[in-house]
Amino acid sequence: GAGVSQSPRYKVAKRGQDVALRCDPISGHVSLFWYQQALGQGPEFLTYFQNEAQLDKSGLPSDRFFAERPEGSVSTLKIQRTQQEDSAVYLCASSLLGARYEQYFGPGTRLTVT
Amino acid sequence: AQKITQTQPGMFVQEKEAVTLDCTYDTSDPSYGLFWYKQPSSGEMIFLIYQGSYDQQNATEGRYSLNFQKARKSANLVISASQLGDSAMYFCAMREGPDSGGSNYKLTFGKGTLLTVNP
Repeated sequence: GAGVSQSPRYKVAKRGQDVALRCDPISGHVSLFWYQQALGQGPEFLTYFQNEAQLDKSGLPSDRFFAERPEGSVSTLKIQRTQQEDSAVYLCASSLLGARYEQYFGPGTRLTVT
Repeated sequence: AQKITQTQPGMFVQEKEAVTLDCTYDTSDPSYGLFWYKQPSSGEMIFLIYQGSYDQQNATEGRYSLNFQKARKSANLVISASQLGDSAMYFCAMREGPDSGGSNYKLTFGKGTLLTVNP
């Protein structure tokens, strides 16, 4: 079956530009997560949605980062006025609702800010 | 303090041999879960195995087993009969909170261990 998909796979932005990263979760998955993975590091939590409700945004590094999931399926992570330190791979994951369920990850979007 | 510590930046193993990847964790929550993920060079995270803090037995999934030592707060991954395709980054991750009834299942990851399987 279809897994989690993300687009674009690669994005190059000039410093100061806005970017939007898209995540299509597995159909029926209530939970959706965004993580940021810097080079050579493990993923770091950004935000969590349960259906359309954003229950935790404690990991968003600044108010330039904004995420939404308006209809409880597709999600968009938006970064305004990108900075070089925003360069990373952004991973989206989805899961069934429940702590024992594994998160299924998408291939990620590699963002490079020049 | 680091919540998840993986002390081995890199490990080498001969094909067909077993290898143990170390993971220690730090939490004051009595309920938590531990996950291992594999990340090949292609970048996608692949779930391997899960252990709940109240699970009575160590988790096993095919060639993967989790050596869970609760008192030591360690959750080491054991891969038996290594294959060339096992070469990848391996991440240990923790979810704090109960298996059911919680409201957030975010994961905290370690820095990973790069496993290389030699022919």
